Amino acid sequence: EIVLTQSPGTLSLSPGERATLSCRASQTVRSIYLAWYQQKPGQAPRLLIHGTSNRATGVPDRFSGSGSGTDFTLTISRLETEDFALYYCQHYGWSPWTFGQGTKVEIK
Amino acid sequence: QLHLQESGPGLVKPSETLSLTCTVSGDSISSSTYYWGWIRQPPGKGLEWIGSMSSSGTTYYNPSLRSRVAMSVDTSKNQLSLTLTSVTAADTAVYYCARHLGVVLLWFGELKGDAFDIWGRGTLVTVSS
Repeated sequence: EIVLTQSPGTLSLSPGERATLSCRASQTVRSIYLAWYQQKPGQAPRLLIHGTSNRATGVPDRFSGSGSGTDFTLTISRLETEDFALYYCQHYGWSPWTFGQGTKVEIK
Repeated sequence: QLHLQESGPGLVKPSETLSLTCTVSGDSISSSTYYWGWIRQPPGKGLEWIGSMSSSGTTYYNPSLRSRVAMSVDTSKNQLSLTLTSVTAADTAVYYCARHLGVVLLWFGELKGDAFDIWGRGTLVTVSS
């Protein structure tokens, strides 16, 4: 099973700042099999990025994904108030597909 | 616009069977080439993939749950279903159904999937006597 470790656990930033979230895999993950989701309290996750760097439909271009091998990054270029939420990475390259434990982006 | 809605009992007794339904609206499952999945999230915790299936009923399960889980599709009702047997308190979670963005397939014995692009709102199931 591939374990995804996200860091930091919590990121305290101000609106307008840049957020950099990390997702490290215990084994190599092909880039096409890595996604990022955003989750707000009481809501279902929302797909942001698939295939490491492809924005999902309707996702603002301030969200970008990058990485390869075992290290992947979600970057939010300029935080908007609605971006303060939980973020999860997920791989779906081979079973079992797993999620990271999440990074909380909170208002500083 | 595609919409998914989970439903089922909110409370299940230990050792009993959890049964949930996901009603799909805005598209016909029978004419769809999409794949569908179930994911759960214990209160205050992270996400766990339970399993996925094709619109024609081919299923793929998380090995950790395979002995207790079953998924099926009812095209006449445009519904997906999930059953989980012999539940314990550890099965208490919000259960989501979701649509895969792309195909799911076995490639040389490895299960290759795709991200979940549309999710239901989820339903909380508590396992307690």
